[in-house]
Amino acid sequence: NAGVTQTPKFQVLKTGQSMTLQCAQDMNHEYMSWYRQDPGMGLRLIHYSVGAGITDQGEVPNGYNVSRSTTEDFPLRLLSAAPSQTSVYFCASRQGQGNSPLHFGNGTRLTVT
Amino acid sequence: AQKVTQAQTEISVVEKEDVTLDCVYETRDTTYYLFWYKQPPSGELVFLIRRNSFDEQNEISGRYSWNFQKSTSSFNFTITASQVVDSAVYFCALLNTNAGKSTFGDGTTLTVKP
Repeated sequence: NAGVTQTPKFQVLKTGQSMTLQCAQDMNHEYMSWYRQDPGMGLRLIHYSVGAGITDQGEVPNGYNVSRSTTEDFPLRLLSAAPSQTSVYFCASRQGQGNSPLHFGNGTRLTVT
Repeated sequence: AQKVTQAQTEISVVEKEDVTLDCVYETRDTTYYLFWYKQPPSGELVFLIRRNSFDEQNEISGRYSWNFQKSTSSFNFTITASQVVDSAVYFCALLNTNAGKSTFGDGTTLTVKP
């Protein structure tokens, strides 16, 4: 059981480049989300999805796009990378109902130069 | 709007000391859930415990205990007889049941020195 898988683990981009961070889960979880973690700022929600075909913005959505075509996958797209997007990104999923906890991927460390 | 405050940015203790991590939350929901997650130096995020808003029973699990007080909107976490392996960043989180979103505090970095 792989859980939540994120790729890549590390990425360096130049300002203006685009890329997609991949996230896949094999637990049939309805809810998926992307967080970014910056020093001293905890985990901030970027986008989330409560099921296939449904996405919504979180606290810091600007500069990021998401889609949810399947239950398993929830990719995060950076359209035009900026140095302010240098961060560690975590994908997380959980069962849609009740008080189930989040299951996190191992993170992607992104540096934008 | 929801908010989670972890006022302690960093805590340093010597092994075998007891340590309490504070968490204060704000929400307008009458039903909500609170969580603690641990992030060790390796970087992964691991779920530790959850508590429902209607269940104020405190819980003890080995060296860990949690004190949930609805009257003060607090959900504090105590480690008894701390060990070096407890060194990590600890996050408190609040789950909004309507939207399904979790709001995290800024985290408390705990360092346990041998």
